[in-house]
Amino acid sequence: QKEVEQNSGPLSVPEGAIASLNCTYSDRGSQSFFWYRQYSGKSPELIMSIYSNGDKEDGRFTAQLNKASQYVSLLIRDSQPSDSATYLCACPGGATNKLIFGTGTLLAVQP
Amino acid sequence: GAVVSQHPSWVICKSGTSVKIECRSLDFQATTMFWYRQFPKQSLMLMATSNEGSKATYEQGVEKDKFLINHASLTLSTLTVTSAHPEDSSFYICSATRGAYEQYFGPGTRLTVT
Repeated sequence: QKEVEQNSGPLSVPEGAIASLNCTYSDRGSQSFFWYRQYSGKSPELIMSIYSNGDKEDGRFTAQLNKASQYVSLLIRDSQPSDSATYLCACPGGATNKLIFGTGTLLAVQP
Repeated sequence: GAVVSQHPSWVICKSGTSVKIECRSLDFQATTMFWYRQFPKQSLMLMATSNEGSKATYEQGVEKDKFLINHASLTLSTLTVTSAHPEDSSFYICSATRGAYEQYFGPGTRLTVT
């Protein structure tokens, strides 16, 4: 059973700080990784995808992938209260094109 | 780009009736569509995978006769909850895949069965 694990949190950071969200995965063959943001009562929104080892930056977001350690992270710089949400990590589920989602990390940015 | 719509956004129905939820990819053709259910403060739960022109693949424990999925085209999938009961009340979310794995979610449908 392929798994994606995340710390459920809540992760509390002050406004303006860097929020670091982490995710580990069990399938060493996974090649694609996705971060979704889900506000309370809303559906998930794709915010980052990463396919290669290293860093990928998009605005205040940086995704980091380390395939050797089976670890993917999301950094949010200059955190804002509007970033408060649950962040879901996902990777492909194997033979099909479905995604395996982690349970999500709740981020709370304190003003 | 990559906009997915769902209709209706919320619905209230009486126990024993059926409800149909539509999912459309508005600006791309989706290779696959997925249906999820999410209860309050719980994780996403994948219900089924839907491909155009094929029978849906249901996850273990999901009753295929209760949750009917029709995938009529590359931009439209429907989920019908048949003989709904109060325990079917939930947030139903569809997603559409662009490319190999990128899933784009619809806004969700909140179903309340009274």
